[in-house]
Parts: sequence; C-alpha cells; structure tokens
Amino acid sequence: EVKLLESGGGLVQPGGSMRLSCAASGFTFTDFYMNWIRQPAGKAPEWLGFIRNKANGYTTEYNPSVKGRFTISRDNTQNMLYLQMNTLRAEDTATYYCASWELPYWGQGVMVTVSS
Amino acid sequence: DVVLTQTPPTLLATIGQSVSISCRSSQSLLHSNGNTYLNWLLQRTGQSPQPLIYLVSKLESGVPNRFSGSGSGTDFTLKISGVEAEDLGVYYCMQFTHYPFTFGSGTKLEIK
Repeated sequence: EVKLLESGGGLVQPGGSMRLSCAASGFTFTDFYMNWIRQPAGKAPEWLGFIRNKANGYTTEYNPSVKGRFTISRDNTQNMLYLQMNTLRAEDTATYYCASWELPYWGQGVMVTVSS
Repeated sequence: DVVLTQTPPTLLATIGQSVSISCRSSQSLLHSNGNTYLNWLLQRTGQSPQPLIYLVSKLESGVPNRFSGSGSGTDFTLKISGVEAEDLGVYYCMQFTHYPFTFGSGTKLEIK
C-alpha cells in the first residue's frame, strides 16, 4: 500500500526556518518524481517544486515564488523526501503536502504556521 | 504563469443530476511531446486532494466511471453523470505542461 506521511510542521516565527519530512513506503521510491505542494486555509493548492527520479538524476525544479528560500531534497536510502524552508513569512502559513502525480498519491498534509 | 479559470465557483446539485465544471487555461496545455497535462482532483472536507483524472480524460484507478473529462488546448470540462452524495467537495483542475505548475481556483460541489 502506497503511503506518504508528512511531519515536522508547527509554529515558527517570521524569519525562521523549518524542515518538513515526507516518509514514503509501498513503492520503489527512486523511480518517482516527488512534489511539494502547499495550500493556505480555504484557498487553492500551490505547487512548490519537485525532485526528479533516479533516471533523471534527482534534479529539482521550483516555483519562482519560493526559489532561493525553499530547497527540496531526498534520502533514497531512507525513502525520505524533505522540504527545507528558510526566511519564513506569514504568507507561508499553509498545509504542506508531498505528492506524486504518477502514483498518484498525496500525503495527508502537515500544517505550518508562521507567526510571532 | 498559466492561469486556470474554473467555472462555476459553486455548484448546487441534486442526487442523480449530471453536472459539468469548466477549466479554461490562459495558454494551450498541449506539450511539445504531444501530451496535454491537465488533471482533475477532488478535495473532500478535511482531506487531502484525491486525483480523479489525468491527461484530460483518463480515469485514475478506482474512480467511478460517472466521472469523465474532455477538452483540448485551453478548454477542458469535468462531467459527473449522476451525482452521488460522496461527490461533494471542491474540484480542482491542475496543469503541469508549463512551469510553474498551477491549479484552478476550485469549484465547490454542494448537494441539495
């Protein structure tokens, strides 16, 4: 059974950093592109970026809205996906999801609140 | 960025009624490889989005065949032929032909 389980969310002050994790199971992790998406409460989702699969060298693409502040990485030995978020702002407050379009599957999401 | 405009924003339907949701793109979603990367998702209250349709018209595994997708270029439609109570929620179209990938603003389906 495919599972994606996000963790690491919570409350962070403006200007702070946070790393989200996504534990993957039930599929061959290295075969798939993995995405991060966020969704502010009551609004549409926003794609943040993805990291490619092994066949495509694990390279990354980002939404310009977060490029330079957010970094996506993966640990293929642990089947883990990460989102490092720096210089956080109030507008980064949202539920963050990891997902694969190809599986297709979205995790249950983790909430991040940026507030003083 | 590609803007996806969904209409209507809210849809009120009775059980058994057929409904359609429109998704119009600000640019053609036909990729140079010949594919059109337009998907539909359903987000039920308190849940993560659930993929329904990919490549405009292909149903994801396990999705009931009362759902269908159509369209090309910039105009796309999701049709539900005989709404059931479990279909309520917010429907989103999304594109991944062009970077950055984008989502429509959503259509909320409510059951009368």
